Amino acid sequence: AQRVTQPEKLLSVFKGAPVELKCNYSYSGSPELFWYVQYSRQRLQLLLRHISRESIKGFTADLNKGETSFHLKKPFAQEEDSAMYYCALGQGGSEKLVFGKGTKLTVNP
Amino acid sequence: SQTIHQWPATLVQPVGSPLSLECTVEGTSNPNLYWYRQAAGRGLQLLFYSVGIGQISSEVPQNLSASRPQDRQFILSSKKLLLSDSGFYLCAWGRGITEAFFGQGTRLTVV
Repeated sequence: AQRVTQPEKLLSVFKGAPVELKCNYSYSGSPELFWYVQYSRQRLQLLLRHISRESIKGFTADLNKGETSFHLKKPFAQEEDSAMYYCALGQGGSEKLVFGKGTKLTVNP
Repeated sequence: SQTIHQWPATLVQPVGSPLSLECTVEGTSNPNLYWYRQAAGRGLQLLFYSVGIGQISSEVPQNLSASRPQDRQFILSSKKLLLSDSGFYLCAWGRGITEAFFGQGTRLTVV
């Protein structure tokens, strides 16, 4: 079965500190992984996708198939990074897209 | 450009009453459509998704149903609401699974 696990409900760091939001998945096929973000009073939106290998707003995420992980990282957190972050797993073909339970990141001044 | 409309924004309904939440997409054709329920501590739970008119995949057995009568219209329904149906419902569309675009959501309170 397709499953996404985000073990941390809450994560709090200070401005300038590194941040890592964990995501693990279980899927028997070839996974497509995403990170979505929801800022306060805004719509949920795509942050980045593994296939693009891009850095968005200083965030990166590497797909580790051996560990079935897709952790989101940023070397120096900013206050404006405070938001709810969701890891998502897509299943091409069936077009199913499932999300983890989310991690609320708070960056303190 | 593409836009997604979801209404109403808030809804208070008595137990046992019917439900109809509507979601429409503009500016694209043959999108994937999704209904999610967002709850604190439970994240985004996929309820239904659709890859075409009349094609509905249900993920969670429940008191709800979904329909897609037109290419860019996705409806979430219930014949008789339960207290446990209260929550925040999100509609989304996507071209494949490459990126999903979310509506503003509907806050449903069943009383």
